[in-house]
Parts: sequence; structure tokens; C-alpha cells
Amino acid sequence: ETGVTQTPRHLVMGMTNKKSLKCEQHLGHNAMYWYKQSAKKPLELMFVYNFKEQTENNSVPSRFSPECPNSSHLFLHLHTLQPEDSALYLCASSSQGTQTYEQYFGPGTRLTVT
Amino acid sequence: DAKTTQPTSMDCAEGRAANLPCNHSTISGNEYVYWYRQIHSQGPQYIIHGLKNNETNEMASLIITEDRKSSTLILPHATLRDTAVYYCIVSHFSGGYNKLIFGAGTRLAVHP
Repeated sequence: ETGVTQTPRHLVMGMTNKKSLKCEQHLGHNAMYWYKQSAKKPLELMFVYNFKEQTENNSVPSRFSPECPNSSHLFLHLHTLQPEDSALYLCASSSQGTQTYEQYFGPGTRLTVT
Repeated sequence: DAKTTQPTSMDCAEGRAANLPCNHSTISGNEYVYWYRQIHSQGPQYIIHGLKNNETNEMASLIITEDRKSSTLILPHATLRDTAVYYCIVSHFSGGYNKLIFGAGTRLAVHP
């Protein structure tokens, strides 16, 4: 596997379910990101992890819970979601430390909450 | 954080150059201009970035005006596969990472 991978690619869940999204990067990066892209809206940054430490939580509701066990893996745990949480969830990674490092994105998980 | 303004949509004929403009009049002296694109429902793809000099890579060229208040992304020979939403972003460096604020972007349609 190369680049940034995300699983599952598609997920349908009920409002009372608990599920997790997984992201893995094979680029040797040490910063990882979760973004949300709702229909007809720009991408929104949700969380940032630098060297496994969470450095940004962009006012995300507590029903979204990130976890970064190491610099290669990032999870987004989901519970009691609402239909408006249906969106494309994108993971990205980058090197850390200077302003010239670009972010590499995964293909995303298309989430539908019923 | 500096904001950007882009046209909502543009058309380009296949084989011709696509010139995508972006205004970023509130950019600060140490903020970079980044361009990404997103092909339908895929993850955004990095294209190019620059500070004040013009830049070129295998995908595109980036022309930044001398006052840095605007830039143009140039795809020299557009193909049908270049049909995508193109995002111009001014990155804000804080906490050791680049904060990218995505706007609505420009929807580029390349037609035969």
C-alpha cells in the first residue's frame, strides 16, 4: 500500500450505532488530520495530530472521538450520530515542522447516517 | 486567516491552457499560496505551492503577482482528466503544521 488509505470506503449506520473510521499513512509523516466534507460545503478541518498529540479540535461535537495510537494510524470513533453528520470524511497526513509541507489526502469514507 | 476569492466555474477546451485566477489580497508576508484539486468525490490532490516566486512542476505553473495579492494557476495543456474543483488556499502556519482553509473553489470543466 502506498500513500494514505482509508477504510471503510462506504459506511451506512443508524443513529444508535457505534462505528470507527480508520486511516493509515505509508509516507513517514508525523502529522495527521481529519476533515469533513458535507454536500455542497467546503472541506472543514476537524482534528489535527502532531506526533500523536492532538493539537487542534475545531469545535467538533463529542460524538466524534479521534484516536492516534502512532504516527501512522488515525481513527475516528463515531457514536450516536445525527443524519446531518452524513458526509465524506477525509484523512490527510503531512510532515511537520515547516510551512512548505503539503498534505496528502486519502480517498475518504462516504458516511450515511440513517 | 487570509481569505481567497475564485470564480465559481470555468470552461476550457481540451489541449488548450487553463488559467485559473485567485485573489488573496489579505495575505501576510510569510503565508504561502497552495493549490489543490478534487476530482469528483475523491480526496483533494496537491498541485503546487509558492511564496512569491513563480513556480513550475510537472502538473502546473503558479504565477504570483509582485504584490502577492493574486495568483494564477496554469495547466499548460488541459485534458479531460483535469476536470475537477480547484482550490486556491492561503496556508496559515501554526502549531507546527499548515492550516488549510478550503473555500468553494473553481469548478473547471474541460471539454473536447
